[in-house]
Amino acid sequence: DQQVKQNSPSLSVQEGRISILNCDYTNSMFDYFLWYKKYPAEGPTFLISISSIKDKNEDGRFTVFLNKSAKHLSLHIVPSQPGDSAVYFCAANNAGNMLTFGGGTRLMVKP
Amino acid sequence: NAGVMQNPRHLVRRRGQEARLRCSPMKGHSHVYWYRQLPEEGLKFMVYLQKENIIDESGMPKERFSAEFPKEGPSILRIQQVVRGDSAAYFCASSPRTGTFYGYTFGSGTRLTVV
Repeated sequence: DQQVKQNSPSLSVQEGRISILNCDYTNSMFDYFLWYKKYPAEGPTFLISISSIKDKNEDGRFTVFLNKSAKHLSLHIVPSQPGDSAVYFCAANNAGNMLTFGGGTRLMVKP
Repeated sequence: NAGVMQNPRHLVRRRGQEARLRCSPMKGHSHVYWYRQLPEEGLKFMVYLQKENIIDESGMPKERFSAEFPKEGPSILRIQQVVRGDSAAYFCASSPRTGTFYGYTFGSGTRLTVV
């Protein structure tokens, strides 16, 4: 029972272009969403988050969009840089003590 | 100003042995969370602890797995009689208080291989 899904296991983008990573969820009780970035052999690091009362949150090159009616969120990175190459996880919380993670999307930004 | 420290980074155990994974939270953090990442999958919640208390263990397998966070020392995730299916990366996270997920800091993980 995957409550958070990232349907694209990988994404390849040219440097300077926009990267769009997608995430779908099924649990309407989720009220807080986060994106984490993970390099090989390291732990996930927090990137950006959004509360369910908002539909957009922006931080520099990173913007997260939330469409509650579609139960869909996306992460936009623009412009993409080679250093952005990593695995990106979306995660969700419903006021409990745990995060529910998607399976991750491997982003490759080509120079 | 060290982050979340996990050790060992890599652990190899034969089937039937015990595995002990350690996690020292960031200074000032009293909440510890353990997650497991199976190959090619996302992270799955296992357990949430505060000092000397298990708050939520809904993600822990019912047998062979246990966790503690004593008053002094690191949090320990213990796996008894390991099997091949326990091979995974185990991540620990800490936070200064519950619910502040932007303050949720992960360690680099322990990669357990069962041979």
